[in-house]
Amino acid sequence: DAMVIQNPRYQVTQFGKPVTLSCSQTLNHNVMYWYQQKSSQAPKLLFHYYDKDFNNEADTPDNFQSRRPNTSFCFLDIRSPGLGDAAMYLCATSRLDRKDLPHFGNGTRLTVT
Amino acid sequence: GESVGLHLPTLSVQEGDNSIINCAYSNSASDYFIWYKQESGKGPQFIIDIRSNMDKRQGQRVTVLLNKTVKHLSLQIAATQPGDSAVYFCAEKDGAGNMLTFGGGTRLMVKP
Repeated sequence: DAMVIQNPRYQVTQFGKPVTLSCSQTLNHNVMYWYQQKSSQAPKLLFHYYDKDFNNEADTPDNFQSRRPNTSFCFLDIRSPGLGDAAMYLCATSRLDRKDLPHFGNGTRLTVT
Repeated sequence: GESVGLHLPTLSVQEGDNSIINCAYSNSASDYFIWYKQESGKGPQFIIDIRSNMDKRQGQRVTVLLNKTVKHLSLQIAATQPGDSAVYFCAEKDGAGNMLTFGGGTRLMVKP
């Protein structure tokens, strides 16, 4: 059973057109993360939520925003996608326990035309 | 800054042979290391982990070795199977919280 669910699996958007990716979890985990993974590269953390507390990585562009309306859902908003934002976007969750590793969803592959 | 990185971008092995995937890290304060497997179109999946107070840990067909002296981590897969074909990432978990830093990844290709 999928525990971290990302929708859609594939998303196509136009250059400059806002897009939202969604993530839901059935694990009741405190922490939710968004990673960006470009082709043949490692996942790179964009930001994470601990409950409702938002934590942005220092080098995450302002073009990327996130919302977490409740424990189960988290959204990634890209305000004005550029061609360089084409990537796989991975959502992950964990308890805030250093022994607990993030559980990853299967990602949304974003194409920007 | 601190980083976790891999030596080999692609490794091709014959089915049934053993595979060794290497990783170097630079943060001497790192104390927890993880190997992930990522199949095409999927998110990373946990394989095995090791803490810095150990130098070896074994799982089912996989072994992780940690050499703190040279800041080197390796993943050994015994009797590699076609289902092992994937990209493998090492990752380090920071000492203050819950964040992962991933290395660059190695693609393992298993030839039948």
